[in-house]
Amino acid sequence: AQKVTQAQTEISVVEKEDVTLDCVYETRDTTYYLFWYKQPPSGELVFLIRRNSFDEQNEISGRYSWNFQKSTSSFNFTITASQVVDSAVYFCALSEAERDDKIIFGKGTRLHILP
Amino acid sequence: EAQVTQNPRYLITVTGKKLTVTCSQNMNHEYMSWYRQDPGLGLRQIYYSMNVEVTDKGDVPEGYKVSRKEKRNFPLILESPSPNQTSLYFCASSFYSSYNSPLHFGNGTRLTVT
Repeated sequence: AQKVTQAQTEISVVEKEDVTLDCVYETRDTTYYLFWYKQPPSGELVFLIRRNSFDEQNEISGRYSWNFQKSTSSFNFTITASQVVDSAVYFCALSEAERDDKIIFGKGTRLHILP
Repeated sequence: EAQVTQNPRYLITVTGKKLTVTCSQNMNHEYMSWYRQDPGLGLRQIYYSMNVEVTDKGDVPEGYKVSRKEKRNFPLILESPSPNQTSLYFCASSFYSSYNSPLHFGNGTRLTVT
């Protein structure tokens, strides 16, 4: 069965600190995609990244980086030098090739960046 | 501008009064889906549609209906709303499926049923 666990319900850090959001997934499929979405206080959901199960290279986009490790079934998200605008709820999600009609979301991590 | 448009943004209604939340996308996407977001539960899928006239139940379909008569529109219908359907609802679309295409979300509809 597919499952996404975001164990950190809420995190608070002071601005400019680095912070890592954890995501652990479960799947029996060998082919799948992992995603991260951001939900700022305004409420909309914004796509951040998509990662194929065959591509374990880490990804960096500005202050954001993602670490994908199949050995530990994790897809962690790190924000470097955090800013107040990073305050949001972040969702990790999983979609399997065998169930291409379905995406499973984690319960989200609420991140507070304190000025 | 490419977008998913949901209406209304806020809706307060009473138990049993039928309502429809509209969703429209202008990106020619095949796949559309409805989710509800509740505190501590994350996003849960209500219904989805892989193409016109094709709809299927998600994880929490009870109390909801949908239709996909046109590619661009995917309305969510609550025939007899109840207080446990008070939630934040999101419509989303993607090119072919949720598997490898990122979902584009609407801005959400906050529904309160009293």
